[in-house]
Amino acid sequence: DAGITQSPRHKVTETGTPVTLRCHQTENHRYMYWYRQDPGHGLRLIHYSYGVKDTDKGEVSDGYSVSRSKTEDFLLTLESATSSQTSVYFCAISRGGLAGGNEQFFGPGTRLTVL
Amino acid sequence: AQSVTQLGSHVSVSEGALVLLRCNYSSSVPPYLFWYVQYPNQGLQLLLKYTTGATLVKGINGFEAEFKKSETSFHLTKPSAHMSDAAEYFCAVSQSGNTPLVFGKGTRLSVIA
Repeated sequence: DAGITQSPRHKVTETGTPVTLRCHQTENHRYMYWYRQDPGHGLRLIHYSYGVKDTDKGEVSDGYSVSRSKTEDFLLTLESATSSQTSVYFCAISRGGLAGGNEQFFGPGTRLTVL
Repeated sequence: AQSVTQLGSHVSVSEGALVLLRCNYSSSVPPYLFWYVQYPNQGLQLLLKYTTGATLVKGINGFEAEFKKSETSFHLTKPSAHMSDAAEYFCAVSQSGNTPLVFGKGTRLSVIA
């Protein structure tokens, strides 16, 4: 299994509070991604990173920010959590490039509940 | 823009029967195609992928998929379903090795004894 951990694995918080989710990898992969998974929607990309301090928005980026200060860590922050952000959040990594074929490896997920 | 359509949010088959999960994609350039499986309360695991070369791709657990450019399809099959195949399956597309994957909405496979 790819060395990807997510913390926390479960979190319950209240509307309006800030929340930070952490993704940590030991594979030294260049690309890191944050997705949310909701019933009937599959996985939707929130933000991704293509290198340290290099990030870009995905399909559902509103209300989320990210940071990547070192290769192994990718943080997802909900500045002011809302009930619509209740979801399961997955981190993924990939080597990228032609050799990698963009195959992504996924972490175990974080279940976030916003009350 | 790329997109993926998975026909059928839920497919039910009998144990030992053929599994066929459908995936159609749209892409303006030759795509990279993937199938992932997700077991309950777990992350996604790669089943198989198509990048270039042979259009029939074999994956883990006896699954295979065929890339058909003329039909823009990448359907997943397994000759004989096993109870352990019950899971959710996601098809995904990417335009290159450096672009994020776009996922379909998933198909939940149930296997009936």
